Amino acid sequence: NAGVMQNPRHLVRRRGQEARLRCSPMKGHSHVYWYRQLPEEGLKFMVYLQKENIIDESGMPKERFSAEFPKEGPSILRIQQVVRGDSAAYFCASSPRGTIGNTIYFGEGSWLTVV
Amino acid sequence: SQQGEEDPQALSIQEGENATMNCSYKTSINNLQWYRQNSGRGLVHLILIRSNEREKHSGRLRVTLDTSKKSSSLLITASRAADTASYFCATEGTSGSRLTFGEGTQLTVNP
Repeated sequence: NAGVMQNPRHLVRRRGQEARLRCSPMKGHSHVYWYRQLPEEGLKFMVYLQKENIIDESGMPKERFSAEFPKEGPSILRIQQVVRGDSAAYFCASSPRGTIGNTIYFGEGSWLTVV
Repeated sequence: SQQGEEDPQALSIQEGENATMNCSYKTSINNLQWYRQNSGRGLVHLILIRSNEREKHSGRLRVTLDTSKKSSSLLITASRAADTASYFCATEGTSGSRLTFGEGTQLTVNP
């Protein structure tokens, strides 16, 4: 049973370009969470999704950021018109249910560098 | 301040010594979890303690939880150089649905 798969692991974008980060949850998991980690900081919640639904996006910046988790395929975190401040590690996690307990699993992260 | 604050921010000890890290939080929780992160890597789940538990052990790890003080501690006994990493606490609130992380403690164990 493969773990949470994120790709790309490393992504370099120029200012103004778009970044797309993908997350395939563990098999059987229908709840996906995205977190952002700035250098030397902890993880900050961004968004919580279930299949085809955004449940909680209270941590998402109001502009340029969007997330989806379609019926088929991976969850996508999309950052439009990237700026240097978007440089961070983006972690995806999945769980089989909304009450997390000890059932949440994290991917290895996608490191975005904006130059 | 943020939910889930760790102290110290950084800790440097010698191999064989014990390392203690503390975490404080602000709101009611279902559980508190500790994670480890090696530089440039993802998170590794270490241990979960539920709100009705006071102490839990796993190998060289000992976690305590004091809900009246809204605080937790992680003790690593007989530390090894391989324990060098950042350690984060994370709380799941009573409404569930997500974890809230602290800023982490950077532990360095010198051989």
